[in-house]
Amino acid sequence: GAVVSQHPSRVICKSGTSVKIECRSLDFQATTMFWYRQFPKQSLMLMATSNEGSKATYEQGVEKDKFLINHASLTLSTLTVTSAHPEDSSFYICSAENRGLPYEQYFGPGTRLTVT
Amino acid sequence: EDKVVQSPLSLVVHEGDTVTLNCSYEVTNFRSLLWYKQEKKAPTFLFMLTSSGIEKKSGRLSSILDKKELFSILNITATQTGDSAVYLCAVRSGNQFYFGTGTSLTVIP
Repeated sequence: GAVVSQHPSRVICKSGTSVKIECRSLDFQATTMFWYRQFPKQSLMLMATSNEGSKATYEQGVEKDKFLINHASLTLSTLTVTSAHPEDSSFYICSAENRGLPYEQYFGPGTRLTVT
Repeated sequence: EDKVVQSPLSLVVHEGDTVTLNCSYEVTNFRSLLWYKQEKKAPTFLFMLTSSGIEKKSGRLSSILDKKELFSILNITATQTGDSAVYLCAVRSGNQFYFGTGTSLTVIP
């Protein structure tokens, strides 16, 4: 149980385009989903926290107009990187908190974004 | 300022050795401490600790939390090459998660 999927697993896009990443909890309802970014050989950096049906809470320094987060249902959150630039290239990981098991979070497999 | 510090940053051991990884923290509204194993992709959940002194165990891995001294340890006994990974410690403070930089463990045959 407690499986989180992300789609796509890898995406290459051109500078200036937008990319949408989906995060789904497959066998549980997620009250809260988290979006992280990870640079090579570095730890996870929390970008934003999203609760179903409400606006995401962004961490300091994360541009909310650039990284659009939508948490439309208890099993789906999306992160859209708008007008992507090469410096947005990174590994994006989502995690979901199981509504039935508070405090535990389960990670998706991650999405490798490369902006050329 | 909330922070999580892991030590050592990296560790190289031989198969069969026992290792202890450390995680200390300073947060304002502690709720839980979590350990993750990260290989090439996203982290996988190992343990969640909320109470002091209660050891959590899974096979060769075990972990314990000391809320008075604000630290946790992750022990791995009889290490195997498959244990090679980065081990991340995260502390939940309110609705925020703070991650340490991780300990990179390499187990050589």
